[in-house]
Amino acid sequence: ELKVEQNPLFLSMQEGKNYTIYCNYSTTSDRLYWYRQDPGKSLESLFVLLSNGAVKQEGRLMASLDTKARLSTLHITAAVHDLSATYFCAVVRSAGNNRKLIWGLGTSLAVNP
Amino acid sequence: GAGVSQSPSNKVTEKGKDVELRCDPISGHTALYWYRQSLGQGLEFLIYFQGNSAPDKSGLPSDRFSAERTGGSVSTLTIQRTQQEDSAVYLCASSPRLAGADTQYFGPGTRLTVL
Repeated sequence: ELKVEQNPLFLSMQEGKNYTIYCNYSTTSDRLYWYRQDPGKSLESLFVLLSNGAVKQEGRLMASLDTKARLSTLHITAAVHDLSATYFCAVVRSAGNNRKLIWGLGTSLAVNP
Repeated sequence: GAGVSQSPSNKVTEKGKDVELRCDPISGHTALYWYRQSLGQGLEFLIYFQGNSAPDKSGLPSDRFSAERTGGSVSTLTIQRTQQEDSAVYLCASSPRLAGADTQYFGPGTRLTVL
């Protein structure tokens, strides 16, 4: 059974600092997603990572994937308050023609001035 | 273009009543998902429709929950005899499910409160 673990689950950081959120998964998968959810809002796709060594960057966020270690990281550079949100990783579980996303519990990020 | 829409945005009901939640996916998307998110929690998968295949109902928490998808488009999630623990935000997502495309696009959710 595919399990997805994120850590930390809660993160409070100061503006201007750097930090990394980790996403581990238990069995082989061919793609991994990062989503963002603002308080009271729905989820928005940030990145999709398809292959070992893949790196995607958008603004102050950079996501990477190591399929051998079954690990993805979401790195935050010089955090700003606007990045405060909950970040979810999700991994594709494939069983025949049935493909589902298995979700982590989310990392709630608060960026403080 | 139009995104995933859900209605109602908020629903308050009394314990024991039935409720219906509606989802309009993005036009042309063949896959449709329902999730439940309790306050401050992650996503709980409920049910998944893919084209004309039999739906994956493995996440439905009890037989009080059911869902239909008519004409491969609009979906309705029905909760019978609601209980207070059913209170949550119910999120719908759709996906094109083209080869290699699994990105799910989420609707704004329906906040259900069972009194």
